[in-house]
Amino acid sequence: AQSVTQLGSHVSVSEGALVLLRCNYSSSVPPYLFWYVQYPNQGLQLLLKYTSAATLVKGINGFEAEFKKSETSFHLTKPSAHMSDAAEYFCAVSPNRAGGYNKLIFGAGTRLAVHP
Amino acid sequence: SAVISQKPSRDICQRGTSLTIQCQVDSQVTMMFWYRQQPGQSLTLIATANQGSEATYESGFVIDKFPISRPNLTFSTLTVSNMSPEDSSIYLCSVALDGQFFGPGTRLTVL
Repeated sequence: AQSVTQLGSHVSVSEGALVLLRCNYSSSVPPYLFWYVQYPNQGLQLLLKYTSAATLVKGINGFEAEFKKSETSFHLTKPSAHMSDAAEYFCAVSPNRAGGYNKLIFGAGTRLAVHP
Repeated sequence: SAVISQKPSRDICQRGTSLTIQCQVDSQVTMMFWYRQQPGQSLTLIATANQGSEATYESGFVIDKFPISRPNLTFSTLTVSNMSPEDSSIYLCSVALDGQFFGPGTRLTVL
């Protein structure tokens, strides 16, 4: 069975500091991996996705993530946090190699707070 | 990507009633999905809706409680039947287009 673990339900950083949100996955087949962001009272927005091409994936809003097979990780980073980055972030895995054309299994989410 | 709209955006309903949520996409898509997000929780897939076939439900979700229609490639509905307060959640539809894209959600409160 596939699963996603997000370490840290809450992360707090200072404006301008590095953002690191952790995601580890379990999958019996090579996975497709996704990061989504949810702003208060809004739907989910796709930040970036890994679909077996480059292991370092760049997304929107300055975020990027690196797929590390040996560590079964797909951590999300941003060099410098902005106040507008405060939101809930979800990591998700597609349980087969369908690039999102199949169901997604979501992690529990990490709430990012950015303080001045 | 795709532009996805949902109606209603929110509703407050009485116990025992039913609510139908609509999802409209601005392009034709084969696969649509319905998710539930309970308060303060992550997303859980309810069912996959492909046009021209019966919806496929995940463990713990049944058609009698969450009937789904998929009459064409741009539209789907999810009905939450015989509601109880435990059904209070955000319900989101998504479409598969080289990644999944989500609608804004329907915030349901059951009293």
